[in-house]
Amino acid sequence: ETGVTQSPTHLIKTRGQQVTLRCSSQSGHNTVSWYQQALGQGPQFIFQYYREEENGRGNFPPRFSGLQFPNYSSELNVNALELDDSALYLCASSWVESNYGYTFGSGTRLTVV
Amino acid sequence: AQSVTQLDSHVSVSEGTPVLLRCNYSSSYSPSLFWYVQHPNKGLQLLLKYTSAATLVKGINGFEAEFKKSETSFHLTKPSAHMSDAAEYFCVVSRGGGADGLTFGKGTHLIIQP
Repeated sequence: ETGVTQSPTHLIKTRGQQVTLRCSSQSGHNTVSWYQQALGQGPQFIFQYYREEENGRGNFPPRFSGLQFPNYSSELNVNALELDDSALYLCASSWVESNYGYTFGSGTRLTVV
Repeated sequence: AQSVTQLDSHVSVSEGTPVLLRCNYSSSYSPSLFWYVQHPNKGLQLLLKYTSAATLVKGINGFEAEFKKSETSFHLTKPSAHMSDAAEYFCVVSRGGGADGLTFGKGTHLIIQP
């Protein structure tokens, strides 16, 4: 059974640029969600995708967007990067019907300069 | 709406002594509750979960937590701390399969003294 994998592990971008982060869900999971973890803080919910549709969103602006593909892999896109977007971005997958819990990837560390 | 308060930002214990990490939650529905651990430069690992079954939940690595609805608490305990337990611990609430995602506490940094 494979876990959740994220790429890249580290990334440096310039303010105003756009970035795409990728996530491969754990095998058999049909839901993926993304979280932003600023330094010294708990993760904050960005949004969730279920069967390729966004079905939940936290308090993040529209420049944060995503996709979920038929194989349940996912992307997080952030436009017009700001310095405050520097954080660890975590992807989590789950099988929502079982409420088993969420499996997290190791994250992508994004630094905006 | 749902929220989580972790009552201690840092907890320091000696190796071999008990661990207690405190968590209170607020939820307008029957919640699912989790504890996750995060070691430095690593992702989040699920320790245990409560989903309306037994109120005393046993997890991995000797950790357990008790759901107390009357006190809206979900404290994490371990009888004997090990050096490898040093990490950041997060208490998490969810509306069981809902689309609100997971709501994390701010975390408790557990320090193990030799």
